[in-house]
Amino acid sequence: KAGVTQTPRYLIKTRGQQVTLSCSPISGHRSVSWYQQTPGQGLQFLFEYFSETQRNKGNFPGRFSGRQFSNSRSEMNVSTLELGDSALYLCASAGDGPLGANVLTFGAGSRLTVL
Amino acid sequence: EDQVTQSPEALRLQEGESSSLNCSYTVSGLRGLFWYRQDPGKGPEFLFTLYSAGEEKEKERLKATLTKKESFLHITAPKPEDSATYLCAVQSTGSSNTGKLIFGQGTTLQVKP
Repeated sequence: KAGVTQTPRYLIKTRGQQVTLSCSPISGHRSVSWYQQTPGQGLQFLFEYFSETQRNKGNFPGRFSGRQFSNSRSEMNVSTLELGDSALYLCASAGDGPLGANVLTFGAGSRLTVL
Repeated sequence: EDQVTQSPEALRLQEGESSSLNCSYTVSGLRGLFWYRQDPGKGPEFLFTLYSAGEEKEKERLKATLTKKESFLHITAPKPEDSATYLCAVQSTGSSNTGKLIFGQGTTLQVKP
């Protein structure tokens, strides 16, 4: 079955601009999570959406936002870009699994460079 | 505060030289511990989930074990294709959802032929 698809794979923006990233989860998965990966901080949780509702949010400023559509596809937006926002943004989807600890399947990521 | 620490940061092995990667964790209550593999330019790829102390799982040359404070990823007779960054992550019972994992910084493994 198809995996998690993220678009675009690479993008370059300048400071002050905004960016929207897209994620299509595995068919049937209702949970979509977003992570930021940088060399210094590693993988950090941004937020999770489940059935179009944000279930949890990490410790990121309000410039980072997201949404989920009825078909479970998700988008995240970063406004007023800063140099420090340069990172690999990863999307992961999860289905229903045993014991409450569901396996996240990650996409290949969107590499954002802010100049 | 939930925390995951991995060691070593980097590991170089000769092909066939077995070793172990360590993941120490502090969590209010463990719902699950996950091991992922990440190749350059790609997203993390799931390897194992461990739920309780004493549990072990194996896949080819990899074996993951779990205690109440740490997990080990044992690599037996590694091959060059095992070269990657290995990530450990925990999900807390305090987390109200399934998508929030706390990741360690990873161990970058290089296996030379």
